[in-house]
Amino acid sequence: GIQVEQSPPDLILQEGANSTLRCNFSDSVNNLQWFHQNPWGQLINLFYIPSGTKQNGRLSATTVATERYSLLYISSSQTTDSGVYFCAAQGGFGNEKLTFGTGTRLTIIP
Amino acid sequence: GAVVSQHPSWVICKSGTSVKIECRSLDFQATTMFWYRQFPKQSLMLMATSNEGSKATYEQGVEKDKFLINHASLTLSTLTVTSAHPEDSSFYICSASEAGLYNEQFFGPGTRLTVL
Repeated sequence: GIQVEQSPPDLILQEGANSTLRCNFSDSVNNLQWFHQNPWGQLINLFYIPSGTKQNGRLSATTVATERYSLLYISSSQTTDSGVYFCAAQGGFGNEKLTFGTGTRLTIIP
Repeated sequence: GAVVSQHPSWVICKSGTSVKIECRSLDFQATTMFWYRQFPKQSLMLMATSNEGSKATYEQGVEKDKFLINHASLTLSTLTVTSAHPEDSSFYICSASEAGLYNEQFFGPGTRLTVL
């Protein structure tokens, strides 16, 4: 199946800083999603982005499908941005399940 | 929009009992629903995929007789953990997709199961 790798595994930043989280995947994708898992375990959908660029407030994401990576940008970080960010990818025939990366744990310090 | 609920949010049970977890899509019809399992500080692992009115497809290594899945309607899927044991303790999360296998998945808040 498709392999999904995320980096960095941990990131500690001061409030107000910007960050870039990376997701590499091993095959072509039909679905690529970014999530934020809050401290209670709820997965919050950030982006559905199998290709292209999207922006939502302080967050934006870019997927370069031909080079098999996606980036999540967080600008002007706030303490509420803390948590684990997951990338998940779903390929084509034979790679149908949504496969999660190991996540990036982001801690924003006031 | 695209809200998925789960019930209960947490459950504690004795070893040997069965536990049922419900997953509902509240504002859309879910042709496909998924069940995941997450251990502490780990990622999510897909357990099974279900389509309304048909049998679930289980991932390799997941016991279908232990984890019974029923997708009886376009808004409800249930996961029953039968004869639960302490090693079944975990965080179970469902997701739903409005338009099939490759569309955006929306996740429920999860159910924390503790088996004593």
